[in-house]
Amino acid sequence: TQLLEQSPQFLSIQEGENLTVYCNSSSVFSSLQWYRQEPGEGPVLLVTVVTGGEVKKLKRLTFQFGDARKDSSLHITAAQPGDTGLYLCAHGHFYNNNDMRFGAGTRLTVKP
Amino acid sequence: NAGVTQTPKFRVLKTGQSMTLLCAQDMNHEYMYWYRQDPGMGLRLIHYSVGEGTTAKGEVPDGYNVSRLKKQNFLLGLESAAPSQTSVYFCASRLGRGHEQYFGPGTRLTVT
Repeated sequence: TQLLEQSPQFLSIQEGENLTVYCNSSSVFSSLQWYRQEPGEGPVLLVTVVTGGEVKKLKRLTFQFGDARKDSSLHITAAQPGDTGLYLCAHGHFYNNNDMRFGAGTRLTVKP
Repeated sequence: NAGVTQTPKFRVLKTGQSMTLLCAQDMNHEYMYWYRQDPGMGLRLIHYSVGEGTTAKGEVPDGYNVSRLKKQNFLLGLESAAPSQTSVYFCASRLGRGHEQYFGPGTRLTVT
């Protein structure tokens, strides 16, 4: 089992602050995905990173895949209350099979 | 276009009872998945299907059965419910390899 460890488990910040959450493993992944899940809903895909060292930006969110493809980070600039949710990372052999494994998530609260 | 829908949204069962959860998608997706989500553990794959008439085991298949008689539907069955199966169950689907996974809104199941 390739475990994904996410940190921190909980994060509560004020609107306007910056934050970074992490997804780490001892295994190498062919790809890694980040999802956001709001209460009472299913996860929604934010991004997929595939190449070691890759950086992807989605408005105020910046995703980075580690050079060795064992870890990833999500940085949010100037957080807003709408960013509140559970952020999950997941790995799977996205292109080759269907055995997706998820981390436990970081629960982010952004206070106005 | 409703996307992925799940029925029911909530259910309470007594130990030993059986039930079936229904997942339906109207996107003509080939692949469908059942996950369970428990606090502090992220999502874990129960069973999945890569096409009509096919099913396969995921990470935590014990105590569950599935069927994919029609392409648009994926059923998850609990033959004899146990308190350990108390969880939130999510269905997901995707077009095929390399495509985004879309999740349903979840079914909250409590087994007493």
